[in-house]
Amino acid sequence: SAVISQKPSRDICQRGTSLTIQCQVDSQVTMMFWYRQQPGQSLTLIATANQGSEATYESGFVIDKFPISRPNLTFSTLTVSNMSPEDSSIYLCSVESLAEGGEQYFGPGTRLTVT
Amino acid sequence: GDSVTQMEGPVTLSEEAFLTINCTYTATGYPSLFWYVQYPGEGLQLLLKATKADDKGSNKGFEATYRKETTSFHLEKGSVQVSDSAVYFCALKRRDSNYQLIWGAGTKLIIKP
Repeated sequence: SAVISQKPSRDICQRGTSLTIQCQVDSQVTMMFWYRQQPGQSLTLIATANQGSEATYESGFVIDKFPISRPNLTFSTLTVSNMSPEDSSIYLCSVESLAEGGEQYFGPGTRLTVT
Repeated sequence: GDSVTQMEGPVTLSEEAFLTINCTYTATGYPSLFWYVQYPGEGLQLLLKATKADDKGSNKGFEATYRKETTSFHLEKGSVQVSDSAVYFCALKRRDSNYQLIWGAGTKLIIKP
């Protein structure tokens, strides 16, 4: 299984500012995924990031609010822009396994609080 | 559309009790099924999986059997420990989907000593 790290692990940010979250994988992967998990909720997919192309966003998420970079096969960033308290969530990156079943492996998450 | 339904939590049990967390799904074809666990303050870990009907996934004393006839994938453990306290998510992935995981709402499990 892939080992995934995220930075920062947590942050407290002021309304109106932006935060960039980094995701590093210990092996080359084609697709990386960014999820949001609001307090006490399940996971919601924000976007899929392929290396060398623009990210594909799910319904309800837009590039201006959540710009994503994918400069190489082991790294991606997600920026949460112009934050409001409603953006307080855990943000998780994941990668898909090549094993039968296609499960995903997750990073430890970034716990964001917007005040 | 595809969906996953889990029993609502929290589920509160005493140590050494038998655990069942129900999960049923709606999907076309034969999806792969997963249980993930999220311990307090941590990310998600794959607990077990099953990729075809009648498969049984198992790990750390937990088991779940892929039941096509009842479209279910219930999670069971014979004797729970305090350290099993976590949130458990059931999920599916269709074979014709290139990446999309469909998630249940999660079930919080509390084990009391």
